[in-house]
Amino acid sequence: QSALTQPASVSGSPGQSITVSCTGASSDVGAYIHVSWYQQHPGKAPTLMIYDVSNRPSGVSNRFSGSKSGNTASLTISGLRAEDEADYYCSSYTGNSTPYVFGTGTKVTVL
Amino acid sequence: QVQLVQSGAEVKNPGASVKVSCKTSGYTLNRHYMHWVRQAPGQGLEWMGQINPYGDITYFAQKFQGRVAVTRDTSTRTFYMEMSSLRSEDTAVYYCAREVEAAGKSFDYWGQGTLVTVSS
Repeated sequence: QSALTQPASVSGSPGQSITVSCTGASSDVGAYIHVSWYQQHPGKAPTLMIYDVSNRPSGVSNRFSGSKSGNTASLTISGLRAEDEADYYCSSYTGNSTPYVFGTGTKVTVL
Repeated sequence: QVQLVQSGAEVKNPGASVKVSCKTSGYTLNRHYMHWVRQAPGQGLEWMGQINPYGDITYFAQKFQGRVAVTRDTSTRTFYMEMSSLRSEDTAVYYCAREVEAAGKSFDYWGQGTLVTVSS
């Protein structure tokens, strides 16, 4: 099972919006609603930001939103803030012998 | 509140075994799968395996089958991940991660991570 493909880095200025893409296949991202996004600050454990494509857990800012089209999922961060600078990973359920796959990760930089 | 607290860092020789613990609190054990995910230095996340809410059925990614075991001690609410025949490529931070209730297929709480270093 190959990792989902994400851009290595995305940057934006404070207040701007950025979008991180996550490209998989018709057997994972394209097949299931179970696409999640995680934020990871250096030296810390990941934190769930989006689940089931577009749902936010309690406590996560509404500046974070998710969507999906075909085999590509996207995470949008609006009103970018300094504290949003982190690594972001997507994940998808696959239903195959390795049921969960993560993306390659994207470093978000706030300029 | 939900907490997952993992054991401390380990240094092991190649060929040895390691056992990482994940002590939980603040939720009903029988409602959630528990997963193990690892992250090699400077690399991405890799799903390793899971144990069901009743603690009696495990499943692992093919690359870990036969080399990794996950168990649960219900009395102490502690999960264990044991990996044998360690090699340098197993150097990583190992996380336990709770799955969202009702098999929601995402991970809503994570342990703080345990660094396992394999080196002679």
